[in-house]
Amino acid sequence: GAVVSQHPSWVICKSGTSVKIECRSLDFQATTMFWYRQFPKQSLMLMATSNEGSKATYEQGVEKDKFLINHASLTLSTLTVTSAHPEDSSFYICSARPYREANTEAFFGQGTRLTVV
Amino acid sequence: AQSVTQPDIHITVSEGASLELRCNYSYGATPYLFWYVQSPGQGLQLLLKYFSGDTLVQGIKGFEAEFKRSQSSFNLRKPSVHWSDAAEYFCAVDGTYKYIFGTGTRLKVLA
Repeated sequence: GAVVSQHPSWVICKSGTSVKIECRSLDFQATTMFWYRQFPKQSLMLMATSNEGSKATYEQGVEKDKFLINHASLTLSTLTVTSAHPEDSSFYICSARPYREANTEAFFGQGTRLTVV
Repeated sequence: AQSVTQPDIHITVSEGASLELRCNYSYGATPYLFWYVQSPGQGLQLLLKYFSGDTLVQGIKGFEAEFKRSQSSFNLRKPSVHWSDAAEYFCAVDGTYKYIFGTGTRLKVLA
């Protein structure tokens, strides 16, 4: 199946710094990618939909100035957690759906564990 | 509104016993449905998917699921559980181009 690579797998950062997480579709193009957040022992919550060449669409309650999303190409979306604080510590997962392919599922990255100290 | 309900937060079964994880969805049209498994600290692994056609879907690791439109359900089953199946299981619906996940069911397997 198609592969979505997420980097880094884990990151520890100091409070107040920014962290960038990359999501790449390795063998397909994706005009749309999705970013999820998962708290311990909870489900995945959609944060935003990343649209290639345009602004991301954020879910209600997600701070767009804190979670900056850039989708500069058909294979790369980035999520930057700005001025991170301990409450931003979480597991972040991206997904991507192949462009112009019907009846295909989205493919998920392996996730990034962010710990803010 | 679109939603996915997994009524069982925790399920414990003995190794070798059969398993059924429940999933109910709310969606206006025929949905695309999925089951994923997640081990601690890991990403999601797709077990199986339903788009159309045969309502009984076979997946990996011996799992199957049955789509029942009349009950708005997509329950996951396995005839004989292995200790390695212990994990978190998520049902998801692909609605208007974005996934909605259920709250998950944590499976514990007793030796």
